Amino acid sequence: DAGITQSPRHKVTETGTPVTLRCHQTENHRYMYWYRQDPGHGLRLIHYSYGVKDTDKGEVSDGYSVSRSKTEDFLLTLESATSSQTSVYFCAISDEGGGVYNEQFFGPGTRLTVL
Amino acid sequence: AQTVTQSQPEMSVQEAETVTLSCTYDTSESDYYLFWYKQPPSRQMILVIRQEAYKQQNATENRFSVNFQKAAKSFSLKISDSQLGDAAMYFCAYSYMNNNAGNMLTFGGGTRLMVKP
Repeated sequence: DAGITQSPRHKVTETGTPVTLRCHQTENHRYMYWYRQDPGHGLRLIHYSYGVKDTDKGEVSDGYSVSRSKTEDFLLTLESATSSQTSVYFCAISDEGGGVYNEQFFGPGTRLTVL
Repeated sequence: AQTVTQSQPEMSVQEAETVTLSCTYDTSESDYYLFWYKQPPSRQMILVIRQEAYKQQNATENRFSVNFQKAAKSFSLKISDSQLGDAAMYFCAYSYMNNNAGNMLTFGGGTRLMVKP
């Protein structure tokens, strides 16, 4: 299994509070991604990173920010959590060299509940 | 923008029987890849099978095979000799090469497969 961990694995928070989710990889892969999973929508891309300090927005980026100061860590921040951000969040990684054939490896997910 | 549609929210199959999950997609790209992912109750995302758009031959992985119809933009998954362990959510996904984003994935909404003993 690819070395990807997410922390925390579960979190309950209140509306308006800041939340940071962490993704840590030991594979030295270039690309890192944050997705959210909601019923009926599959996984939707929030933000991605193509290198240290290089990030860009995905399909559902409003209300989220990211940072990548080291190759191995990709942080997702909800500046002021809302109930609509209650979801399961997945981190994924992939490497370069194989082009679009490269498999994305997924972390175990974080279940976030915003009350 | 690319979209992926799975029209069957739920499917059921008898153990040892065959089931086919449907997926359609929309894209203007000519070079892309398609994937089926399995998500069991553990929530772990597991790659089941992948297909290169430029290959006419359908991909096969043991009991899993695909029917790829490029002109129709259809990519169905056939599971033969279904087993209880096949019960899971299945996601169809599309990928194309983006210079900055690597192999960016777009997912369908998923199909929940139940296997009856």
